Amino acid sequence: GNSVTQMEGPVTLSEEAFLTINCTYTATGYPSLFWYVQYPGEGLQLLLKATKADDKGSNKGFEATYRKETTSFHLEKGSVQVSDSAVYFCALSDWRQGAQKLVFGQGTRLTINP
Amino acid sequence: AAGVIQSPRHLIKEKRETATLKCYPIPRHDTVYWYQQGPGQDPQFLISFYEKMQSDKGSIPDRFSAQQFSDYHSELNMSSLELGDSALYFCASSGPGLAGRRDIQYFGAGTRLSVL
Repeated sequence: GNSVTQMEGPVTLSEEAFLTINCTYTATGYPSLFWYVQYPGEGLQLLLKATKADDKGSNKGFEATYRKETTSFHLEKGSVQVSDSAVYFCALSDWRQGAQKLVFGQGTRLTINP
Repeated sequence: AAGVIQSPRHLIKEKRETATLKCYPIPRHDTVYWYQQGPGQDPQFLISFYEKMQSDKGSIPDRFSAQQFSDYHSELNMSSLELGDSALYFCASSGPGLAGRRDIQYFGAGTRLSVL
């Protein structure tokens, strides 16, 4: 079955540091890949997505590239801010088979210190 | 823009009681998904509905049932509640987008259920 493995957290960085959160996946077919963010006490918000190999999703300074050869979708940001502190989930969905559930990674808690 | 609405936001129940969670999808979205997120865990898929029919089923206990109504809202019914049912329950919706794609799910804020 489909699965997602995320870099274990928690991750603590100083403001303006470079961020990488690793994500690899196992899937049959051609999944779409997502990063969702969950701020404390809130629901899941879509951060970015990519739907095919070599696609790059980007939003709010975050980027992730769909790498089929390494089955990866690592999240990066060049300069993090305190407001980026949240839990980040990598997820996949194979929409080609119709409405499909999301399969999430374990989540990575990110804390940015001033 | 309208988002996914879940009610109630918080719910406290005793063991063996029943709970009903409601979800109102984004207008024109025809697919609803339910997820359960335990403390410190990733969301786990429970069940989904497309055009009022169950479309997929995950790790949903037999004590739980759900349906999607004619106005596309959905309800998750949970009976004989157990302590382990305490979790955050998310509803998400999706609908036809560009080229008919429906791969983006939009999440509600969740219902936090506490079973005492």
